[in-house]
Amino acid sequence: GAVVSQHPSWVICKSGTSVKIECRSLDFQATTMFWYRQFPKQSLMLMATSNEGSKATYEQGVEKDKFLINHASLTLSTLTVTSAHPEDSSFYICSCEKGQGRGEQYFGPGTRLTVT
Amino acid sequence: KQEVTQIPAALSVPEGENLVLNCSFTDSAIYNLQWFRQDPGKGLTSLLLIQSSQREQTSGRLNASLDKSSGRSTLYIAASQPGDSATYLCAAFLIGGATNKLIFGTGTLLAVQP
Repeated sequence: GAVVSQHPSWVICKSGTSVKIECRSLDFQATTMFWYRQFPKQSLMLMATSNEGSKATYEQGVEKDKFLINHASLTLSTLTVTSAHPEDSSFYICSCEKGQGRGEQYFGPGTRLTVT
Repeated sequence: KQEVTQIPAALSVPEGENLVLNCSFTDSAIYNLQWFRQDPGKGLTSLLLIQSSQREQTSGRLNASLDKSSGRSTLYIAASQPGDSATYLCAAFLIGGATNKLIFGTGTLLAVQP
């Protein structure tokens, strides 16, 4: 199997502050990692694709200056929500691709972000 | 633009019943089709992955089929159990363009009544 962790599992922050979420592949290297957002009772929406050592590719409608992604190593990607607002409250899930380009993605347990 | 939809949106069945979840996608040029399970407030658990060249995959009480030409996939659950209660998501993996990506369906919320 392949294990992916996320930290923190939940976080509450005040409006205007920034929050960093980490995604780690524990037993394999992931050249590509993905960040998704899931609102209550909705499906997962891809926010961005992160490739190690290069800039992330953001989906249409996702603000790259608000959602900063860093993929500095083959086992770690971070998502920073800058100047968070209540509408950013959501469930953020990362996935790591095993076997480049073959679509085998392993998902983290998710991070529940609540902005007050 | 690839769109993935799932029917029904919610399903409630008595324990022991066999059931079928449906997934449809608009663009048949998929690389593979995956089924996931998601428990409330949790991440995703991969159930089955069907490559575009395959017709079906089986794992225990689960069987997933794929018909690319019609843009459909089904997940068959045999002898359902209360522990099967969860949201089931299908996702089509696309290759090409700026990035390869998974496009998720709308999900089916399954409740198996004891």
